[in-house]
Amino acid sequence: GENVEQHPSTLSVQEGDSAVIKCTYSDSASNYFPWYKQELGKRPQLIIDIRSNVGEKKDQRIAVTLNKTAKHFSLHITETQPEDSAVYFCAASHQSTGTASKLTFGTGTRLQVTL
Amino acid sequence: EAGVAQSPRYKIIEKRQSVAFWCNPISGHATLYWYQQILGQGPKLLIQFQNNGVVDDSQLPKDRFSAERLKGVDSTLKIQPAKLEDSAVYLCASSFGIVAFFGQGTRLTVV
Repeated sequence: GENVEQHPSTLSVQEGDSAVIKCTYSDSASNYFPWYKQELGKRPQLIIDIRSNVGEKKDQRIAVTLNKTAKHFSLHITETQPEDSAVYFCAASHQSTGTASKLTFGTGTRLQVTL
Repeated sequence: EAGVAQSPRYKIIEKRQSVAFWCNPISGHATLYWYQQILGQGPKLLIQFQNNGVVDDSQLPKDRFSAERLKGVDSTLKIQPAKLEDSAVYLCASSFGIVAFFGQGTRLTVV
């Protein structure tokens, strides 16, 4: 089955700096890669996702890049703000037409943005 | 906007007792998932339903865990008997297409 590794486990940056979180996956059939943000005691919320037919996707201060050959994908947050502090999870799945598939999650990165 | 509803939010039980969790997915979402999130780890799938049929339960400890989704809407997850290592947050999620939306979870503590 799919295995997703995520690094680093903790990341501390100063407000305004950039943060990068990296993930690798094992199953070459995986074609959907979402990122979830989970604040303490709250539900995981989707912040951005990318499909395997795209190499990069950007939404304001966040971007995701995908390298299918190397089976790597990364989350980039620019101009970090205190409200970006949370645990971030990457995930991978193989989506077929008309059928939703389970997500395999990484172990999470605790991001702390300091003033 | 209505999201995925779960109850209870918190539950404390003694080992060997039984417990049940309830999930109401977003209206119209055919796919429902139960994930287990142990402290410090990412969510791990326990079971996936498509309408009221099971799609994947390969990681469900079937000797103690059971789940059902009657009428293809609400779902319940049961643990009987509970073990200390079952302490975790149990997250329900639902999806219509690719994107999965999560509930706030039930935090279970087994003492």
